[in-house]
Amino acid sequence: GAVVSQHPSRVICKSGTSVKIECRSLDFQATTMFWYRQFPKQSLMLMATSNEGSKATYEQGVEKDKFLINHASLTLSTLTVTSAHPEDSSFYICSARGTYPEAFFGQGTRLTVV
Amino acid sequence: AQSVSQHNHHVILSEAASLELGCNYSYGGTVNLFWYVQYPGQHLQLLLKYFSGDPLVKGIKGFEAEFIKSKFSFNLRKPSVQWSDTAEYFCAVTGSGGYNKLIFGAGTRLAVHP
Repeated sequence: GAVVSQHPSRVICKSGTSVKIECRSLDFQATTMFWYRQFPKQSLMLMATSNEGSKATYEQGVEKDKFLINHASLTLSTLTVTSAHPEDSSFYICSARGTYPEAFFGQGTRLTVV
Repeated sequence: AQSVSQHNHHVILSEAASLELGCNYSYGGTVNLFWYVQYPGQHLQLLLKYFSGDPLVKGIKGFEAEFIKSKFSFNLRKPSVQWSDTAEYFCAVTGSGGYNKLIFGAGTRLAVHP
């Protein structure tokens, strides 16, 4: 299957700083990318859907100014958590979809805000 | 609105027992359906998918699922589970259009005892 690379896999940052997470589709063009947040022992909560070259569509309750999503190319999307706080600590997962309906997942990023 | 409901949150089985995990969805249109598996400490992997055609789809590791349109269901089955099937299983749905979002169910945690 296609490969989606997410980086970094783990990051610890201080409260008030910003963190950028990258999601790359390595061997296909991702017209759509999804960003999820997964709390311990819970399901994946969709945060936003981004289509290449256009603004991301955020789910209800997700602050767009807090979670900045950029999908500038067909192989790269970034999620920036701005002014991070301890409650933003979580596991963030990206997913990329190309021509086919099937989506491929990155390894996830565990963010810890101290 | 789109939604996915997984009825079993925790399932405990002995090896060689049969497995069926329920999944019902709500979506106003043609759907694509997926089952993903997340082994402890690993990222999501696709088990199987349904786009169109034969409603009985076979996936990896002996899993299969049946799409019953009239019941809005896509239940996952395996005739004989193994200890290595211990994982969390997620049902997901997306619309057949290119930019539709991928929504997950709450997940079912399966524990298989030797």
